[in-house]
Amino acid sequence: DTEVTQTPKHLVMGMTNKKSLKCEQHMGHRAMYWYKQKAKKPPELMFVYSYEKLSINESVPSRFSPECPNSSLLNLHLHALQPEDSALYLCASSQPTGVNTEAFFGQGTRLTVV
Amino acid sequence: AQKVTQAQTEISVVEKEDVTLDCVYETRDTTYYLFWYKQPPSGELVFLIRRNSFDEQNEISGRYSWNFQKSTSSFNFTITASQVVDSAVYFCALSERDNYGQNFVFGPGTRLSVLP
Repeated sequence: DTEVTQTPKHLVMGMTNKKSLKCEQHMGHRAMYWYKQKAKKPPELMFVYSYEKLSINESVPSRFSPECPNSSLLNLHLHALQPEDSALYLCASSQPTGVNTEAFFGQGTRLTVV
Repeated sequence: AQKVTQAQTEISVVEKEDVTLDCVYETRDTTYYLFWYKQPPSGELVFLIRRNSFDEQNEISGRYSWNFQKSTSSFNFTITASQVVDSAVYFCALSERDNYGQNFVFGPGTRLSVLP
């Protein structure tokens, strides 16, 4: 099973709303990631959790708040977003170290901020 | 700092043609990992291959083959006898090893259109 599941697949939210994106994997991976992808651009790293601890925060605005409740789950809490935050948000997981380090990605959440 | 360049922004071929997607990378690490991912219109990034810096063997998987050359810092991807289903954006990515998880850096991507 190389599946990473993201919910919801689509989300429309207002600038004053609070919402959460969810990600789940059951591959025993101990690193999980959030990426943001704008149209016709490559994915850009936002956060990395390694062994359930935040290890990388790529200077992401505080209106994005990640959470890793356990080794299988990763959330991204959204609050007071701006229209320019509209994008595809991708979750991924991998082994944090070792040889087999490929990341497996979910299908993403297409977020529209109105 | 790590960097990945994919010089071809868009490529169009006719079905059954062979096509090569170029990838050039920069890194100061001696241990690193290279990847190719496919992103169809559905959005999911599909893992295709990983190559470790200490393994320069080329690889073939069905119609796909990869040519890794450390001397030129290149990791090119060839699709033989292309099919319409190969139409997608292809990303080359680089990861430098550390103990805190893998910081994947993606190239800008090459959009491949295979026409029937």
